[in-house]
Amino acid sequence: EVQLVESGGGLVQPGGSLRLSCSASGFAFSRYAMHWVRQAPGKGVEYVSGINSNGGKTYYADSVKGRFTISRDNSKNTLYVQMSSLRAEDTAVYYCVKGSWRDSDFYFDYWGQGTLVTVSS
Amino acid sequence: QSVLTQPPSASGTPGQRVTISCSGSSSNIGSSTVNWYQQLPGTAPKLLIYSNNQRPSGVPDRFSGSKSGTSASLAISGLQSEDEADYYCAAWDDSLNGWVFGGGTKVTVL
Repeated sequence: EVQLVESGGGLVQPGGSLRLSCSASGFAFSRYAMHWVRQAPGKGVEYVSGINSNGGKTYYADSVKGRFTISRDNSKNTLYVQMSSLRAEDTAVYYCVKGSWRDSDFYFDYWGQGTLVTVSS
Repeated sequence: QSVLTQPPSASGTPGQRVTISCSGSSSNIGSSTVNWYQQLPGTAPKLLIYSNNQRPSGVPDRFSGSKSGTSASLAISGLQSEDEADYYCAAWDDSLNGWVFGGGTKVTVL
């Protein structure tokens, strides 16, 4: 059974930093791209960042580019995102998401339960 | 403002058919497949449809997807009370070099 368990969320002041982790199990972690997707309170979902299977390629939404850094440790089956220069608008539930594919079509097939990040003074 | 456009709400009575549209452009839906996600209240989103019209194992065949040009749609036939949820479309955007989502559609069963 695929499990994605996020941790590291909490309250942080504007301008502060936070690192989220996602522990993965139930699948061959090193074979799949992984992503972070967030959802502000009462709002829709927003793509944040993604990383390919070996960590050699990363993607960022314009809203977080230069402030967030995604990484992974395939030996520990863990995905990370280092968030810095946090703003009030970064307040959201952050979901760890597993990527998958069929032929050349890509999609997100499993989502974690999310971890809440609140940026406030 | 989301890159993909969905109606904010849709509704129907039990047993009815409800359709949700998702409008994009040549850089996303026009050049990529569309995926749909269902988010039940208080839970994480779940994959509902991938590759425009494919259902993952366990998704009832009441749910179907289609795509034409730069638009896609999700249909729910035989609407049930447990289908009350938010639904999101998503696609890869070549211009943005990233994934884009629709703003979400809240489906209410009357």
